[in-house]
Amino acid sequence: EPEVTQTPSHQVTQMGQEVILRCVPISNHLYFYWYRQILGQKVEFLVSFYNNEISEKSEIFDDQFSVERPDGSNFTLKIRSTKLEDSAMYFCASDRDSYNEQFFGPGTRLTVL
Amino acid sequence: AQKITQTQPGMFVQEKEAVTLDCTYDTSDQSYGLFWYKQPSSGEMIFLIYQGSYDEQNATEGRYSLNFQKARKSANLVISASQLGDSAMYFCAMRDSNNNNDMRFGAGTRLTVKP
Repeated sequence: EPEVTQTPSHQVTQMGQEVILRCVPISNHLYFYWYRQILGQKVEFLVSFYNNEISEKSEIFDDQFSVERPDGSNFTLKIRSTKLEDSAMYFCASDRDSYNEQFFGPGTRLTVL
Repeated sequence: AQKITQTQPGMFVQEKEAVTLDCTYDTSDQSYGLFWYKQPSSGEMIFLIYQGSYDEQNATEGRYSLNFQKARKSANLVISASQLGDSAMYFCAMRDSNNNNDMRFGAGTRLTVKP
């Protein structure tokens, strides 16, 4: 069964450094998403992406964040200058039609020191 | 604004018993979807069940059923015959066109199944 994959599973970085989190959505899906979950808290929407552009972004998704689909398979989230409060689990998700269930990747745990 | 409320931060249930996890929502949209996801301690998000706002029957998936009460704007998850492996966080979520159909989650309920 096809699944969403994410790399790395765990990323440790120093404050102020740039990180790129990578995702490979399910191949016939058209809509892509990033979510964040701070430890012990709820899953928060960051951004949605369709047809090679951002559809919507939350107030969390400020100028430090960017997304890209550099080729036909990868979907990346970049944080330009990480802050301590960016430490969280980052989930990528995808779906075909933006109505039914989203399929989540296993997540990347980002730790900013 | 879209809002999902899960009022039970934690729930306990005896193995083999049924348990209901509460979820209420608020939307001005007539067309929306309601979802439940399970997050075990390993961290992944596992889709459980979906209910569309126009579905007349409550959704069921194996031991999971969704008690959908549209007038009350509630979408409670019922887990029958609880198993130890059901111990996890459970998140209620909604998609509607007010938010470009992006999925928004409740705060979650931590379910613990006792042997």
